[in-house]
Amino acid sequence: TQLLEQSPQFLSIQEGENLTVYCNSSSVFSSLQWYRQEPGEGPVLLVTVVTGGEVKKLKRLTFQFGDARKDSSLHITAAQPGDTGLYLCAGEYGNKLVFGAGTILRVKS
Amino acid sequence: DAGVTQSPTHLIKTRGQQVTLRCSPKSGHDTVSWYQQALGQGPQFIFQYYEEEERQRGNFPDRFSGHQFPNYSSELNVNALLLGDSALYLCASSWGQNVNYGYTFGSGTRLTVV
Repeated sequence: TQLLEQSPQFLSIQEGENLTVYCNSSSVFSSLQWYRQEPGEGPVLLVTVVTGGEVKKLKRLTFQFGDARKDSSLHITAAQPGDTGLYLCAGEYGNKLVFGAGTILRVKS
Repeated sequence: DAGVTQSPTHLIKTRGQQVTLRCSPKSGHDTVSWYQQALGQGPQFIFQYYEEEERQRGNFPDRFSGHQFPNYSSELNVNALLLGDSALYLCASSWGQNVNYGYTFGSGTRLTVV
């Protein structure tokens, strides 16, 4: 059973476009994290959201945690080729971190 | 400040063999979690070690075992390797089983079983 469902699975866009990646679950999470992973490397933490309705911004990235703490979104403005990678959401479940299947983002120049 | 260090980086084994992967956590971290990641997929939780004991375990068979040493470093052992065990094995460290601060991941060990 996949606790966290991510969509879309794959996204290929042109440089300068905006995009949104979604992370949904039927479970309530006390916190949710977003990671970015490049080929041959481990995931790197981008942000942790804890409070329902919370919005965090990191430069061109905007993260939102749903009011019910069951879903989250990642919005990227004016995507750049350097944004290419696998984006993973992860939620705390029983004192461990469980991951979604990820969204593969490709930004073409 | 060194992050998480994993060794080896790549490994090729034959079906039926046994393998040991190693992980040194980030300085100041005392909890180590191991994940298996298939190509293009999210990491799947194998188990977590804290205070030298296995605290959590995912849906993996007993062929997967581990150990944590007093210096917090950890090993992942896989016996009777199957072709399906081919994957990137990631080690993640954290402090005191508190996931809210996030995990620091190593670059992983790419295991290929032939």
